[in-house]
Amino acid sequence: AQSVTQLGSHVSVSEGALVLLRCNYSSSVPPYLFWYVQYPNQGLQLLLKYTSAATLVKGINGFEAEFKKSETSFHLTKPSAHMSDAAEYFCAVNGGNQFYFGTGTSLTVIP
Amino acid sequence: KAGVTQTPRYLIKTRGQQVTLSCSPISGHRSVSWYQQTPGQGLQFLFEYFSETQRNKGNFPGRFSGRQFSNSRSEMNVSTLELGDSALYLCASSLADTSGGTDTQYFGPGTRLTVL
Repeated sequence: AQSVTQLGSHVSVSEGALVLLRCNYSSSVPPYLFWYVQYPNQGLQLLLKYTSAATLVKGINGFEAEFKKSETSFHLTKPSAHMSDAAEYFCAVNGGNQFYFGTGTSLTVIP
Repeated sequence: KAGVTQTPRYLIKTRGQQVTLSCSPISGHRSVSWYQQTPGQGLQFLFEYFSETQRNKGNFPGRFSGRQFSNSRSEMNVSTLELGDSALYLCASSLADTSGGTDTQYFGPGTRLTVL
């Protein structure tokens, strides 16, 4: 069975500081992992995805994530937070015909 | 290419009524999934349709149903609405069979349903 766990439902960072959002996965097969972002009253937008081609995945808006099999992790990072990064972030794993989403991490950026 | 569209964007209903939500996937996408999003429960999977067939279903009561048409457009119906059905309903489409594990879901903006 597949699942993802997002550690920290709320994360606050100062503008310009490093953003680190944590995601750990559980999968009985090689996983395909995704990060999505959701702005208020909008749907989810794909940030990046891991499909086993490379362990370091670069996405939109300066975000990237590194797949670490030994740690079963797929943490999302951005070197320098911007005010516009304030949103809800979801980690997801593809388990056959269904996506399994984490509970989300709300990112606050402090000016 | 146009994204996933959902109509209506906002809906207000009263308890006991029924509602139908519509989703038009990205052109060429054959799989449509529905999710319910609430502050307390997060994203919960409702069901997934592929080529007009329901392939997977989440843990929701029978009041929640859906269908998919030959053009891949999908509708979701909720009968006998309850206060707890108030949520953002999200539709996502993907290109093909997701069993290979490499497909990506693209989301619409959602329909905000309020049940009074």
